[in-house]
Amino acid sequence: GDSVTQMEGPVTLSEEAFLTINCTYTATGYPSLFWYVQYPGEGLQLLLKATKADDKGSNKGFEATYRKETTSFHLEKGSVQVSDSAVYFCALSDQGAQKLVFGQGTRLTINP
Amino acid sequence: SAVISQKPSRDICQRGTSLTIQCQVDSQVTMMFWYRQQPGQSLTLIATANQGSEATYESGFVIDKFPISRPNLTFSTLTVSNMSPEDSSIYLCSVDGVAGTSTDTQYFGPGTRLTVL
Repeated sequence: GDSVTQMEGPVTLSEEAFLTINCTYTATGYPSLFWYVQYPGEGLQLLLKATKADDKGSNKGFEATYRKETTSFHLEKGSVQVSDSAVYFCALSDQGAQKLVFGQGTRLTINP
Repeated sequence: SAVISQKPSRDICQRGTSLTIQCQVDSQVTMMFWYRQQPGQSLTLIATANQGSEATYESGFVIDKFPISRPNLTFSTLTVSNMSPEDSSIYLCSVDGVAGTSTDTQYFGPGTRLTVL
């Protein structure tokens, strides 16, 4: 079945550092890809999405590009802030199934 | 996107009892889903709540343990029955197909944090 694999955390960075969180997927069809963020004590918020190969999703300085050839959707940000500390989830949606499959989540901590 | 609320936000329950969690959306939606997030873990889909018919459950989840209702296009409930400490989790509802937005994108409620003693 479909699956998502994220880089293991936790990840700790200093403020203004460059961030990459790796995400790769396995799917039989042509899924949509998502990054969700969960701040401490809160639910999930959609961060960005991409629906087809070579699409780039972006929001709040975060970017991710749908790479079909490497089945990847890595999350990047050029300069992180303390407020970016959260758990980040990569997910895919097989349009036929209309359900989300999540990666295991990556906890990110940004130190001032 | 829609505003999604859940009640209760958290609860502490005794084993053997049941808890019903409500999910309310401020606009009509096509799809509603229920997920479980066990402590320190990722999210797992429990079931798709179907309006006017029985929910569609994922492998490993059964109706007797997690009965779901969806009486209309803005409301759903999930009941966690005969609870044990292993049911301690965050339960989240999500919606897709909000009027005026693209489909194939799910938006989540704030979650219900359940602790079973």
